[in-house]
Amino acid sequence: DAGITQSPRYKITETGRQVTLMCHQTWSHSYMFWYRQDLGHGLRLIYYSAAADITDKGEVPDGYVVSRSKTENFPLTLESATRSQTSVYFCASSVERSGPYEQYFGPGTRLTVT
Amino acid sequence: KNQVEQSPQSLIILEGKNCTLQCNYTVSPFSNLRWYKQDTGRGPVSLTIMTFSENTKSNGRYTATLDADTKQSSLHITASQLSDSASYICVVSRSSASKIIFGSGTRLSIRP
Repeated sequence: DAGITQSPRYKITETGRQVTLMCHQTWSHSYMFWYRQDLGHGLRLIYYSAAADITDKGEVPDGYVVSRSKTENFPLTLESATRSQTSVYFCASSVERSGPYEQYFGPGTRLTVT
Repeated sequence: KNQVEQSPQSLIILEGKNCTLQCNYTVSPFSNLRWYKQDTGRGPVSLTIMTFSENTKSNGRYTATLDADTKQSSLHITASQLSDSASYICVVSRSSASKIIFGSGTRLSIRP
């Protein structure tokens, strides 16, 4: 099916563990983004990627690592999870970073760090 | 400082009524403004995208307005339906540094 998918949809992990959230899009969009959404905050950009092998930090990158070896995939890794990283994570894709083009969001991954 | 403020934080209206959500921003230089609808447990979905030269844009029962001089936008929902219950997020993009700033959203509840 066409679109943008995320996996897993729900994840519970322990403090200190490494966890990877997956994102896959079928439109061949150049740009992909990772956001986190917490109560009381708007969506906050963690990392984004302009193309395969090109990534850059957003406003809250600490504690996260990304890679993009293929245009369609953009995994987000928490190298050593902390309780403050409990959040809902959204992946998005677009033809451009901030121009008047739609960003298409995935369904989200709800991550709980215990 | 580049900010996007939305009001009210939450709103409850009866089915069939109209409502207007507000978005004020201080983002400069302005590139475009978007309104998203986010249903509970789902990702945001775009409703409208407006550039500097556009002051009104409609998508079905949703009408967005933009006043670039006062840096204000509104989203008007006509004849509300139960399915309109969601969070509505205003997003403003800067043309320099290609930065996107998200508002915290308005939580709208439609009661039968």
